[in-house]
Amino acid sequence: QVQLVESGGGVVQPGGSLRLSCAASGFIFSGYGMHWVRQAPGKGLEWVAFIRYDGSSKYYADSVKGRFTISRDNSKNTLNLEMNNLRAEDTAVYYCVGISTAGIYWGQGTLVTVSS
Amino acid sequence: EIVMTQSPATLSVSPGERATLSCRASQTVSSNLAWYQQRPGQAPRLLIYGASTRATGIPARFSGSGSGTEFTLTISSLQSEDFAVYYCQQYNDWPPMYTFGQGTKLEIK
Repeated sequence: QVQLVESGGGVVQPGGSLRLSCAASGFIFSGYGMHWVRQAPGKGLEWVAFIRYDGSSKYYADSVKGRFTISRDNSKNTLNLEMNNLRAEDTAVYYCVGISTAGIYWGQGTLVTVSS
Repeated sequence: EIVMTQSPATLSVSPGERATLSCRASQTVSSNLAWYQQRPGQAPRLLIYGASTRATGIPARFSGSGSGTEFTLTISSLQSEDFAVYYCQQYNDWPPMYTFGQGTKLEIK
């Protein structure tokens, strides 16, 4: 069955960095555009970043542009999110999401806490 | 950026009754609209995609309708496990900033 498993979350100080990963299985990862979506405590869902199925295009929410970098390795079925210069407002659960007209898949999320 | 607006913010309904949730897009999203259910402490669960197609394992009491800018999620006979927060998401935009509505909290009346 389809699985998306995020890892790499944790507690980091303001200004610090963190790298999230998402391991995909059970579907044709290389055929899917992939996204990161986050949810701050008690808040709604916020789209963060997208990478095209072949990695050729990337887009970011204004709130993370210039600080976050999305990447993928189709040979390893892995999606990544490099987060730099983290702020308190980046505290959230981060979800890995695959979307195509053939289906939509979500991971269970990983918690990132930015605090001194 | 396409803005998604859900109404109402909170809906109070008794078990066994019907619930109707609305989602409006600021510009057309065709039928590229998904609905999610989120219970406390859990990840969003896909209910509906393509505006009206139930995801695998979703009970028939959940149905979606609409196209263009106006969408509806209907839960025909509410069960206790259905009381949760519901989000809509469009996946039609390019660049693919697939925005969400702010959510509707479905609570027990």
